[in-house]
Amino acid sequence: EVHLLESGGGLVQPGGSLRLSCAASGFTFSTYDMSWVRQAPGKGLEWVSAISASGDRTYYADSVKGRFTTSRDNSKSTLYLQLKSLRAEDTAVYYCANWQWLVLAYWGQGTLVTVSS
Amino acid sequence: EIVLTQSPATLSLSPGERATLSCRASQSISTFLAWYQQKPGQAPRLLIYDASTRATGIPARFSGGGSGTDFTLIITSLEPEDFAVYYCQQRSNWPRVTFGGGTKVEIK
Repeated sequence: EVHLLESGGGLVQPGGSLRLSCAASGFTFSTYDMSWVRQAPGKGLEWVSAISASGDRTYYADSVKGRFTTSRDNSKSTLYLQLKSLRAEDTAVYYCANWQWLVLAYWGQGTLVTVSS
Repeated sequence: EIVLTQSPATLSLSPGERATLSCRASQSISTFLAWYQQKPGQAPRLLIYDASTRATGIPARFSGGGSGTDFTLIITSLEPEDFAVYYCQQRSNWPRVTFGGGTKVEIK
């Protein structure tokens, strides 16, 4: 059974940094592209970033480009999202998800990031 | 950027009724459309991909259709567990996907 577990969320001040993790199990992590998707409180879904299976290619939404960095450690079956220069509008639940059939097939339960002073 | 517009924003129906949800793309996306279901406090769950293919374990009462710019998700007979928010998502510019604003299916 596919399982994705995010961690690392919390309260951070504007301009601060945070690193999110997503531990994967139940599938061969190193062979799947992965993504982060976020959801602001009471709002819809917004794609944030993607990373290829090997980690050699990364993609970002314009809203986070230059501030967020996605990486992965295939030896640990773990996906990461480094968040820097955080703004109030980055407040959201952050989900990791894997790509199958070119869609986001399985999702974690999410981790809440709150940016506030 | 391709914009997806979902309608209606809210659909009020009773269990056993048929639900028809719409998703319109700002330009043609062939059949590169998926549907997700999200319940309060839970992660989204993939229902349909490539416009009409049900994901693993999804009941047959869920069906998707359409191509180009107009798509529909139909739930033939609503079960109590189907009351949720539904999102469409396009992958025409994969992996830079975009989502619709969602349709809430609520109990009438």
